[in-house]
Amino acid sequence: QVTLKESGPGILQPSQTLSLTCTFSGFSLSTYGMGVGWIRQPSGKGLEWLANIWWDDDKYYNPSLKNRLTISKDTSNNQAFLKITNVDTADTATYYCAQINYLYYFDYWGQGVMVTVSS
Amino acid sequence: DVVLTQTPSTLSATIGQSVSISCRSSQSLLDSAGNTYLYWYLQRPGQSPQLLIYLVSNLGSGVPNRFSGSGSGTDFTLKISGVEAEDLGVYYCMQATHAPLTFGSGTKLEIK
Repeated sequence: QVTLKESGPGILQPSQTLSLTCTFSGFSLSTYGMGVGWIRQPSGKGLEWLANIWWDDDKYYNPSLKNRLTISKDTSNNQAFLKITNVDTADTATYYCAQINYLYYFDYWGQGVMVTVSS
Repeated sequence: DVVLTQTPSTLSATIGQSVSISCRSSQSLLDSAGNTYLYWYLQRPGQSPQLLIYLVSNLGSGVPNRFSGSGSGTDFTLKISGVEAEDLGVYYCMQATHAPLTFGSGTKLEIK
């Protein structure tokens, strides 16, 4: 059974760095074709893809967030991470991590973690 | 970036009614290898999105067969043949043919 769970700071101030952790089970990020992606959703709005990391450590980012994103993984502990630097109120959202496979769809999603950026 | 335009933005249906949602892409989603990376998701109220359809027309695991997907190139459709109460929520199309991966703006299905 595949499960994913996001964790994060809850609230942070503008200009700080947001650090998110995705802890998963039921699959391994060392398995060929497996990946983890991050997607966010401001309250009442649509979905925005942020980044993917793959089993071979390939990483892909949404260029709309320019150089603010860093995705990484800890294969031995079944975790993936996302850092967003210099946050602003526009980064207030629910952040999801999801398993992505070689057919490029997000098959399993976490429950999401709400992040609020406020001074 | 590829823009996915979903219509309608809101849909109201009675139980048992068949409905369709359109997703039009600003670019063809057919890649040079002949693959079309177009997917459909449902986000029920208060829940995470769940996969319905992958690669245009393939039913996700455990997804009822009243859901079906079709289309090619730039025009895609999700059809629900006989809406049930549990189908309420927001439907999103997503493309992964062109970087960056993008989602449609969503179609909210309401049950009358």
